[in-house]
Amino acid sequence: SQTIHQWPATLVQPVGSPLSLECTVEGTSNPNLYWYRQAAGRGLQLLFYSVGIGQISSEVPQNLSASRPQDRQFILSSKKLLLSDSGFYLCAWRTPTGTGNTIYFGEGSWLTVV
Amino acid sequence: AQKVTQAQTEISVVEKEDVTLDCVYETRDTTYYLFWYKQPPSGELVFLIRRNSFDEQNEISGRYSWNFQKSTSSFNFTITASQVVDSAVYFCALSAENTGFQKLVFGTGTRLLVSP
Repeated sequence: SQTIHQWPATLVQPVGSPLSLECTVEGTSNPNLYWYRQAAGRGLQLLFYSVGIGQISSEVPQNLSASRPQDRQFILSSKKLLLSDSGFYLCAWRTPTGTGNTIYFGEGSWLTVV
Repeated sequence: AQKVTQAQTEISVVEKEDVTLDCVYETRDTTYYLFWYKQPPSGELVFLIRRNSFDEQNEISGRYSWNFQKSTSSFNFTITASQVVDSAVYFCALSAENTGFQKLVFGTGTRLLVSP
């Protein structure tokens, strides 16, 4: 069966510091991968998605970036965090074949920028 | 553009009551998928159900049931005989053909509080 893991689960970072959140999927090949953010009091927003190694699509311009160095690895980064980057970050995946396949989410990472 | 509206911000019920969570969606696509996810206090989004736009059959899974009506663009979720463990935030979401089904558009969620 497929599983998804992301880490760290929680982190507190000062403004201006870098960020790296990592996500890996097991049990599937060539998944579509996603990063979502859930800010306090707001809904879930798609940040990036990837359909293959090195292929990144950005949905929202911001100071975050994403990379996919390996087939089942997806990384969310920032060079300098802003207070507004605080939130709950969720990695997700789905199988690439077919349409409208279910997107499954990881456990999430709570980021507090202070 | 797609939009999902969950007008109920928070619902409080007493255990064993039935509760319906409303979801209204907007899309110009004829091919789309609708989803419900549950977010318990731990934060993880748990998939509950997926329906495609060509299948309006209602579905029942244990105490959960879903009513999909294209005529009113609604995809409502009913929990029968609610339990304390049902307390969570529930999200309705949509993905449509014009985004290659890559983008899940979420509603703002409905927080369900079930008290003993």
